[in-house]
Amino acid sequence: QSALTQPASVSGSPGQSITISCTGTSSDVGGYTYVSWFQQHPGKAPKLMIYDVSHRPSGISHRFSGSKSGNTASLTISGLQAEDEADYYCSSYTSSSTLVFGGGTKLTVL
Amino acid sequence: QVQLVESGGGLVKPEGSLRLSCAASGFTFSDYYMSWIRQAPGKGLEWVSYISSSGSTIYYADSMKGRFTISRDNAKNSLYLQMNSLRAEDTAVYYCARDRNWGHFDYWGQGTLVTVSS
Repeated sequence: QSALTQPASVSGSPGQSITISCTGTSSDVGGYTYVSWFQQHPGKAPKLMIYDVSHRPSGISHRFSGSKSGNTASLTISGLQAEDEADYYCSSYTSSSTLVFGGGTKLTVL
Repeated sequence: QVQLVESGGGLVKPEGSLRLSCAASGFTFSDYYMSWIRQAPGKGLEWVSYISSSGSTIYYADSMKGRFTISRDNAKNSLYLQMNSLRAEDTAVYYCARDRNWGHFDYWGQGTLVTVSS
């Protein structure tokens, strides 16, 4: 199972919005609603930001939103803040009853 | 509060074995699926294995199948990962996570580092 495709890096200025894409196939992202997004700061464990494509866990800011179109899922962060600078990973259930992650995207807040 | 604490990591020689543990507290462990996820140094996340709440259903990533065994003891609120025939490429931080449903990892442990080297 190949990793989902994410851009290696994205950047934005405080207050702006950015979108991170996560591209898979019809056997994973396109075929199921089990897409999640995780934020990871250096040296820390990942933190769940979005699950089931677009659902936010309790305590996660409304600035984070998720969506999906075809085989591509997206994470949008609006009103960018300095503390949003981190690595972001998507994941998806697959038709092989496994889970696959994206390669990760480094978000830089300029 | 929910806590997951991994242990058992360390330095092991190639072809060696190691057993990781994950102690859970703050929730009814037997009600939840659990998963192991790993992260090689400087690399991305890689899903390792999943186990259902009763332990009756188990899945593995292809590269771990036949070498790794996930298990749980609900009486001890503990999750395990037995790793055999270890390779240098298994070097990683191993996280346990509470799994609500296929990637809905709402709580993670702090991770335990496994280093495979001669």
